[in-house]
Amino acid sequence: ETGVTQSPTHLIKTRGQQVTLRCSSQSGHNTVSWYQQALGQGPQFIFQYYREEENGRGNFPPRFSGLQFPNYSSELNVNALELDDSALYLCASGPSGGLTYTQYFGPGTRLTVL
Amino acid sequence: SQQGEEDPQALSIQEGENATMNCSYKTSINNLQWYRQNSGRGLVHLILIRSNEREKHSGRLRVTLDTSKKSSSLLITASRAADTASYFCATVTQGGSEKLVFGKGTKLTVNP
Repeated sequence: ETGVTQSPTHLIKTRGQQVTLRCSSQSGHNTVSWYQQALGQGPQFIFQYYREEENGRGNFPPRFSGLQFPNYSSELNVNALELDDSALYLCASGPSGGLTYTQYFGPGTRLTVL
Repeated sequence: SQQGEEDPQALSIQEGENATMNCSYKTSINNLQWYRQNSGRGLVHLILIRSNEREKHSGRLRVTLDTSKKSSSLLITASRAADTASYFCATVTQGGSEKLVFGKGTKLTVNP
C-alpha cells in the first residue's frame, strides 16, 4: 500500500508569482484535503475534494484553487503569492465518507515566498 | 479561525512519566481526532473518538471526550523520548460543508 506523497519537498517563489503543489493520494482513497500550516500554528483547512468536486472550503481567498484528477491525485494552485503564504502545505487523503474518517497525511511541501 | 485549543501549549517531562494534553472546542462535532507531528513533517493519526463515545484506548494512549464540556484529553502513559512531538486535536464540524479544524497544538518534550 502506497502512502500519501507530495511534491516538491521545498519551493521558493517571489511575491506575485503562481505555484502548483501536487499530491498523490493513498491507494483506495477518493477524498483529498489540503491544509496550510504556518510556523508554530496548527494546520488550517483550505478545501476538500471528493470525486473531482470541491466539497468543503475553509476561509481562504479564491486565489487558492485546486483540482482532483480521475486517479485521485490532486493539485493546489496559489496565484498572486503573498509573503504570508509562506508555510508548510499538507495534503491528506481518506476513504469516501470524507473527514469523519481517519485522514492520512503526506510529508508536506515547504513554500517560502520572498 | 481554529476550533480547538490545546492546553498546555508546551509540556516537558521525564521519560517514564505520563503526559496529559487537553483540547477544548466550540461547536457541535461528529468526532474528534488526535494527531502527532514530528519536527514540521506530516501529521500521523493517533486516535479518533466519536461524539457518542466517552473513552478510547490505543496502546499507551487514552483519549476521553466530554461533549457537555466540549473538551477532550489525551493521556500518554510511560512516555518515551520518541514521543517528543507536537500533538494536535482536530474536529469535524457538523452541518454545512465538512471541515477538519485543528487546534494550535501542544509541544511535548520527553527528556531521556
